[in-house]
Amino acid sequence: AQKITQTQPGMFVQEKEAVTLDCTYDTSDPSYGLFWYKQPSSGEMIFLIYQGSYDQQNATEGRYSLNFQKARKSANLVISASQLGDSAMYFCAMREADSWGKFQFGAGTQVVVTP
Amino acid sequence: NAGVTQTPKFRILKIGQSMTLQCTQDMNHNYMYWYRQDPGMGLKLIYYSVGAGITDKGEVPNGYNVSRSTTEDFPLRLELAAPSQTSVYFCASSYTVGGEGTGYTFGSGTRLTVV
Repeated sequence: AQKITQTQPGMFVQEKEAVTLDCTYDTSDPSYGLFWYKQPSSGEMIFLIYQGSYDQQNATEGRYSLNFQKARKSANLVISASQLGDSAMYFCAMREADSWGKFQFGAGTQVVVTP
Repeated sequence: NAGVTQTPKFRILKIGQSMTLQCTQDMNHNYMYWYRQDPGMGLKLIYYSVGAGITDKGEVPNGYNVSRSTTEDFPLRLELAAPSQTSVYFCASSYTVGGEGTGYTFGSGTRLTVV
């Protein structure tokens, strides 16, 4: 069963605007971590942000923030003040504590930032 | 630090050929993983290892084999290549497997085409 769902295959956003990328997850493990990765056209996987299941506050890293709603099992990524260099594929991923570090990845959302 | 090094970066195989994708990490990470990424899709786990001499199957292991004779190296072997194995292959390593936010260190990927 799909554990990570990203429902937005692609999005356009104008430069300097904010964009929210949706991610919902499914787990019965009380301890887990949620991650967002960026994959530009060059192909490498770039870690953006992490949220632990026991974290009380939403994670933030520069222009990235994670809107964590535990009861709804959602972990949306917000990119503020979009830049042209933000154009990339974005993946949501989950690592359950009882999984030997294995990640479950979503299908990704392609973001295109326009001038 | 080199991090995670994958070779080759690109390869074209003919149907039925075999090859080994190399992965080496210099961070003394116990946990190593092989993922494949099909076009427009998320990453799927092929095999993983929790330490030298210990490997296990992931979600899509058919057609692949791995070994882990040292902490540093985790090669992925393709036997009898098939067009369905055309994909981008990522090797990753991790220091911990808990819910902590360290995530993976990814290699730069190997783009494989089977014709």
